[in-house]
Amino acid sequence: EVQLLGSGGGLLQPGGSLRLSCAASGFTFSSYAMSWVRQAPGKGLEWVSGLSASGGSTYYADSVKGRFTISRDNSKNTLYLQMNSLRAEDTAVYYCAKSGGDWGSYTSRNFDYWGQGTLVTVSS
Amino acid sequence: DIQMTQSPSSLSASVGDRVTITCRASQSITNFLNWYQQKPGKVPELLIHTTSSLQSGVPSRFSGSGSGTDFTLTISSLQPEDFATYYCQQSYSSPLTFGPGTKVDI
Repeated sequence: EVQLLGSGGGLLQPGGSLRLSCAASGFTFSSYAMSWVRQAPGKGLEWVSGLSASGGSTYYADSVKGRFTISRDNSKNTLYLQMNSLRAEDTAVYYCAKSGGDWGSYTSRNFDYWGQGTLVTVSS
Repeated sequence: DIQMTQSPSSLSASVGDRVTITCRASQSITNFLNWYQQKPGKVPELLIHTTSSLQSGVPSRFSGSGSGTDFTLTISSLQPEDFATYYCQQSYSSPLTFGPGTKVDI
């Protein structure tokens, strides 16, 4: 059974930093692209960042480029999101999501499994 | 960036109704379009990928069609468990983008 367990969320002030983690199990983690998708309270889904199975290629939404860094440790089956210079508009539930394959395949850039989400609140 | 729009933003329907939701991309995405269902307080679930391929375990009353810029999600006979918000998502190019969602309620 595929499981994605996100952690690391919390309450912090604007300008602060936070690192989210997502522990994966039930599949060959190193074979699949992964992403972070967020959802602000009462709002829709926003893709934040993704990376290839090897971690060698990374991709970002314009809204977080230069502030967030996605990474993975395939030896630990764990996905990370380092978030710096946080703003109030970054307040959201952050989901880690598994893709259907590696990033290079158009047909695989969907999200077939999602973590339970971790809440990040940025407020003074 | 490719912008995704959906119509309607919300709709009211009854059990047994045929429901159609439209998704439009700001440029051609060929057939790289996915649909998700999200129930209140729950995690999104993938329903359909690559325009018309039903994800494993998804009931056959769900179907998808379209190509280029215009796509459709159809629920042939709405069931009580289908009341939810539906999102389209393009997987043609980065940044990946979602539509704003269509809320289906009674």
